[in-house]
Amino acid sequence: DQQVKQNSPSLSVQEGRISILNCDYTNSMFDYFLWYKKYPAEGPTFLISISSIKDKNEDGRFTVFLNKSAKHLSLHIVPSQPGDSAVYFCAASALRNNDMRFGAGTRLTVKP
Amino acid sequence: DSGVTQTPKHLITATGQRVTLRCSPRSGDLSVYWYQQSLDQGLQFLIQYYNGEERAKGNILERFSAQQFPDLHSELNLSSLELGDSALYFCASSPTGGNSPLHFGNGTRLTVT
Repeated sequence: DQQVKQNSPSLSVQEGRISILNCDYTNSMFDYFLWYKKYPAEGPTFLISISSIKDKNEDGRFTVFLNKSAKHLSLHIVPSQPGDSAVYFCAASALRNNDMRFGAGTRLTVKP
Repeated sequence: DSGVTQTPKHLITATGQRVTLRCSPRSGDLSVYWYQQSLDQGLQFLIQYYNGEERAKGNILERFSAQQFPDLHSELNLSSLELGDSALYFCASSPTGGNSPLHFGNGTRLTVT
């Protein structure tokens, strides 16, 4: 059951421009959302999170937006840098369920 | 370095065999999660333990089992292996297992031939 969906397998942007990665979820019980970044041969690394009581959270170049009514979240990276090239996973959890579900990932390539 | 250690890094075995993957969580973390990633797919949640007890179960096959020991390390046992079990297996840990970020190890790559 794909409770967390990332419909874009890949995204390519120019250095300095904005990268927007999207994620949709189906389980209305989810109340905590995260983005992870993964480089080859490494495990995913936590990037940024947002609670369902907020609609935006910002950390430096990274901003996550949450639209609960649409069950949609997005990650904005501004400005994009070549070092941001990685696979980005969206994840969601519900406190009462004690598990965390991940999307299939989006491969971001930032071109110099 | 996430502080989560997984061993071995690579494992090659034959169909029908049984293997054990090991995970040491980050110091102080009580909760351990196991995920499977096949062929550039997403991370499929398998199972979660908190302080030695199973807390949540995902799409884990009956041929697979796991446990968390008193020292908080965890093992994932895969038996009667099939070609389709070839994947990256990740372990992650968190302090409480509630809504908090997970810290991942670098995974064990299992190849079943």
